Amino acid sequence: DAGVTQSPTHLIKTRGQHVTLRCSPISGHKSVSWYQQVLGQGPQFIFQYYEKEERGRGNFPDRFSARQFPNYSSELNVNALLLGDSALYLCASSAGGLAYEQYFGPGTRLTVT
Amino acid sequence: GDSVTQMEGPVTLSEEAFLTINCTYTATGYPSLFWYVQYPGEGLQLLLKATKADDKGSNKGFEATYRKETTSFHLEKGSVQVSDSAVYFCALRRWGTSYDKVIFGPGTSLSVIP
Repeated sequence: DAGVTQSPTHLIKTRGQHVTLRCSPISGHKSVSWYQQVLGQGPQFIFQYYEKEERGRGNFPDRFSARQFPNYSSELNVNALLLGDSALYLCASSAGGLAYEQYFGPGTRLTVT
Repeated sequence: GDSVTQMEGPVTLSEEAFLTINCTYTATGYPSLFWYVQYPGEGLQLLLKATKADDKGSNKGFEATYRKETTSFHLEKGSVQVSDSAVYFCALRRWGTSYDKVIFGPGTSLSVIP
């Protein structure tokens, strides 16, 4: 079975631009979570979606938004990019709930110049 | 709020040395505890986990025991290899108001030299 996939692998954007990152969960998984990992730090929770609804949001500005589609894939959108948004963005999927393992994708490396 | 603290790196060891990476946590309730590993240029891989007090997680020679009395989950390996060079993250996971999230420590970089 395929694991969690993310696209693109790498991305370079300019300050003020908008970016969309994509995640495909493991087949059968209905929950997708997004994390931001700044270089040299641990990942920080951004969002969790389950059954196409936002269930939780971390301490991130409104420039960050996400959605989940009927096939359970997800997009993370970031508007008005800042230099500080440069990071590895990780997607994790699970069947939903604490009883189920979270599996992480390889991430999308975003560089803002 | 919930948090995870782990020993600062980088840690440099010779091959076959004993490894300990300390991890302590602060959380309400009874979180599950994890160690993740991140190899250069890659995403996160789950190394081991423990879901309740006194549980021992183990995988690939690594071990960690969930100690509720000391709120710790220290990672150990008896004999490290060059291939163990990576960044190790201690993490906790628990249910919030309507969702679950993973809270990570800052990571500890390990370099194993031949």
